[in-house]
Amino acid sequence: GAGVSQSPSNKVTEKGKDVELRCDPISGHTALYWYRQSLGQGLEFLIYFQGNSAPDKSGLPSDRFSAERTGGSVSTLTIQRTQQEDSAVYLCATSVIAGGNQDLFTDTQYFGPGTRLTVL
Amino acid sequence: AQKITQTQPGMFVQEKEAVTLDCTYDTSDQSYGLFWYKQPSSGEMIFLIYQGSYDEQNATEGRYSLNFQKARKSANLVISASQLGDSAMYFCAMSSSGAGSYQLTFGKGTKLSVIP
Repeated sequence: GAGVSQSPSNKVTEKGKDVELRCDPISGHTALYWYRQSLGQGLEFLIYFQGNSAPDKSGLPSDRFSAERTGGSVSTLTIQRTQQEDSAVYLCATSVIAGGNQDLFTDTQYFGPGTRLTVL
Repeated sequence: AQKITQTQPGMFVQEKEAVTLDCTYDTSDQSYGLFWYKQPSSGEMIFLIYQGSYDEQNATEGRYSLNFQKARKSANLVISASQLGDSAMYFCAMSSSGAGSYQLTFGKGTKLSVIP
């Protein structure tokens, strides 16, 4: 079946502009994560969505970063007033989150191809 | 808080040989999952193998096996019969019941190069 898709694959923008990055999850996957991968910081968690629950925004680096997930499916990560330090690859991952008593830490996250953001 | 340490920034292995990529972790949680991902130069993170903290048997998936030593808090990845296509970055990651939203904590990665 189709995997996680992200768009655009590459985005070049000027400092101070706003950007939107999109993630389409695997059908049926209820949990969605955004991560950032940069040379200096490695892979960092940004935000987590699960069903209708309030998102976990604990990883967002500043209030310039926000994300939403419409209808429990597609997610958009928005960066306002971009800075050069925002340059990185932004990765989206989804997992199925089985119900019942399954331990949630066992769920495998499947990643999209990422969006490479370059801020000039 | 969780922490993953991968001490080998780069590794070389001869084609058809086996290679072990090291991973140690630190957590105060009793329940957790350990994952290995492969990231080729194309950039996509590819899931390889999973080991749960309660699993008594080491996980295996084809040519990949996970050498899980709970007391030592290590979860090394063993790749048998290396192939040229195995050249990539490899990341060890952890998810735990104490991490709230079960986000993955990643190590810095190991770059594996397979020599013909």
